[in-house]
Amino acid sequence: GDSVTQMEGPVTLSEEAFLTINCTYTATGYPSLFWYVQYPGEGLQLLLKATKADDKGSNKGFEATYRKETTSFHLEKGSVQVSDSAVYFCALKGGGAGGTSYGKLTFGQGTILTVHP
Amino acid sequence: KAGVTQTPRYLIKTRGQQVTLSCSPISGHRSVSWYQQTPGQGLQFLFEYFSETQRNKGNFPGRFSGRQFSNSRSEMNVSTLELGDSALYLCASSSSGMPNEKLFFGSGTQLSVL
Repeated sequence: GDSVTQMEGPVTLSEEAFLTINCTYTATGYPSLFWYVQYPGEGLQLLLKATKADDKGSNKGFEATYRKETTSFHLEKGSVQVSDSAVYFCALKGGGAGGTSYGKLTFGQGTILTVHP
Repeated sequence: KAGVTQTPRYLIKTRGQQVTLSCSPISGHRSVSWYQQTPGQGLQFLFEYFSETQRNKGNFPGRFSGRQFSNSRSEMNVSTLELGDSALYLCASSSSGMPNEKLFFGSGTQLSVL
């Protein structure tokens, strides 16, 4: 079945440092890929998405490129801020046939990011 | 536009009881999905409803059930609660639930089973 693997965490950085959170996936068909962020005590917010190979999603300085050849969707940001401290989830929505994709996101285990001033 | 609304925000129950959680999707959204989030298992898909019909379900026991009303609001029910059911239950909505659609999540219901 579909699966998502995120880099081991947590990640601790100083403000203005470069961020990379690795994400690789296994899926049938042509899935859509997402990064979600969760702040303490809140639900998930969509950060960015990409729906086909070589698409680049971007939002709030974060970027990720859908790499079909390496089955990856790594999240990057050039200069992190204290306010970026949160848990980041990589997820996919399968492109398989039938109804197995309706409303279903498969998530990675999440990466806790802490940014210090 | 109001977001996804989940009630109640917190619940405390004891083993053996049953519980019902409620979710109101974004206006115009007809697909509602439910997820369980725990520290050990992470985020896991429970089921998805569209136009009052369950279209997709995850690997959870039959104690977990749901339904959707004609106004797209959804409820999730867990019967015969177990300690392991303690979790944050998240509801998400989208227009149609198709693969390339993003999901909008509510803030969740934190369920504690004692």
